[in-house]
Amino acid sequence: QVQLQGSGPRLVKPSETLSLTCSVSGDSISDYYWNWIRQTPGKGLEWIGSVYFRATTNYNPSFESRVSMSIDTSKSQFSLHLSSVTAADTATYYCAGGYSSRLFHFWGQGTRVSVSS
Amino acid sequence: EIVLTQSPGTLSLSPGERATLSCRASQSFSASFLAWYQQRPGQPPRLVISGASNRAAGIPDRFGGSGSGTDFTLTISRLEPEDFAVYYCQQYADSPRTFGQGTKVEI
Repeated sequence: QVQLQGSGPRLVKPSETLSLTCSVSGDSISDYYWNWIRQTPGKGLEWIGSVYFRATTNYNPSFESRVSMSIDTSKSQFSLHLSSVTAADTATYYCAGGYSSRLFHFWGQGTRVSVSS
Repeated sequence: EIVLTQSPGTLSLSPGERATLSCRASQSFSASFLAWYQQRPGQPPRLVISGASNRAAGIPDRFGGSGSGTDFTLTISRLEPEDFAVYYCQQYADSPRTFGQGTKVEI
């Protein structure tokens, strides 16, 4: 059974970069597709983008100018970097994975990140 | 991007009753690319239905999905206490993947 554990700073200053890492256990990271999704009271669930084992990425155009994702198969981890954050980026960030690039079969517990000075 | 609109916002029902949740899309797409997720308080979403009507592993058969084109429905035939949660539809016909705003099923 695949398990995901997100980690990273819970507080980020405006204009800085939000960086989160998701550790994958229970199966090979190379066998799945990996995503970052965030949730806010105002906008609900937003898909940020995905990364695959060959480091192929697919980003939501709403974030494309300031997002990057990477994968480290040796560590069974994948990461999110979101630059130039504002208060609007305050959210719970979920890492999620799937058997396809389109669905989210398993989810981490979520990391609550606040953007504030 | 495809916008999904769910209705109603809140559904107040009792255990044993039938729940019918609606998801309407801003443009038509194949039912093969519509999913439903359940989110309980303090938990991440959980995949319930994919391909509009295929239950995910471990999902009881009281959950059913249907629909086509722009109108999709999640039905819970007899509500159990653990079914009271928020349900989201999600389309994966196109990128970016998008979610509806959710329907809360409450007692």
